[in-house]
Amino acid sequence: RKEVEQDPGPFNVPEGATVAFNCTYSNSASQSFFWYRQDCRKEPKLLMSVYSSGNEDGRFTAQLNRASQYISLLIRDSKLSDSATYLCVVREGNAGKSTFGDGTTLTVKP
Amino acid sequence: GAVVSQHPSRVICKSGTSVKIECRSLDFQATTMFWYRQFPKQSLMLMATSNEGSKATYEQGVEKDKFLINHASLTLSTLTVTSAHPEDSSFYICSARLGYSQTQYFGPGTRLLVL
Repeated sequence: RKEVEQDPGPFNVPEGATVAFNCTYSNSASQSFFWYRQDCRKEPKLLMSVYSSGNEDGRFTAQLNRASQYISLLIRDSKLSDSATYLCVVREGNAGKSTFGDGTTLTVKP
Repeated sequence: GAVVSQHPSRVICKSGTSVKIECRSLDFQATTMFWYRQFPKQSLMLMATSNEGSKATYEQGVEKDKFLINHASLTLSTLTVTSAHPEDSSFYICSARLGYSQTQYFGPGTRLLVL
């Protein structure tokens, strides 16, 4: 079983749709959680950190459930520019290494 | 904001040659740099963690004699793929962390194609 698992998709949604991605992790010692976005043939870029209380950044909402070891990302009012691969990242402590999920591919269509 | 650069962005080489990839943190001192490899449609796989002035820590299955890492200064780490073979063709990405800050900044990556 992979340490970080994501539904690979692809998710194909129309503009304006709401889409949710899920991620589960197996290491209960994980302390930090992130969502990264990676465009085709580019490096990953930090989208947002995920906090225990849940957090929102514009159209993006991240949730963490430590008991279930589950992270989610909700995108509201999808834009064409949201098309990318979204990577769930889990880190064991501040100085620990980051483990990446395989990513979920989103395509937003006109 | 913090920026990490990589050079070269793309390299094509013959089998058996060695390739050096540089990773620089441009406006901050990175005590820790990470080297990842990403194959098509797969996620980033950590190859090694590099701390300035000390030997790199390699992940299981990564050959340290094949992937030489040098972190000579707080702003520069290099990865040398020695005696490259076609199966080494991949997207190599470095990442730098500012102290123990949670933020990890990625370089733009280097596409290696070994013929």
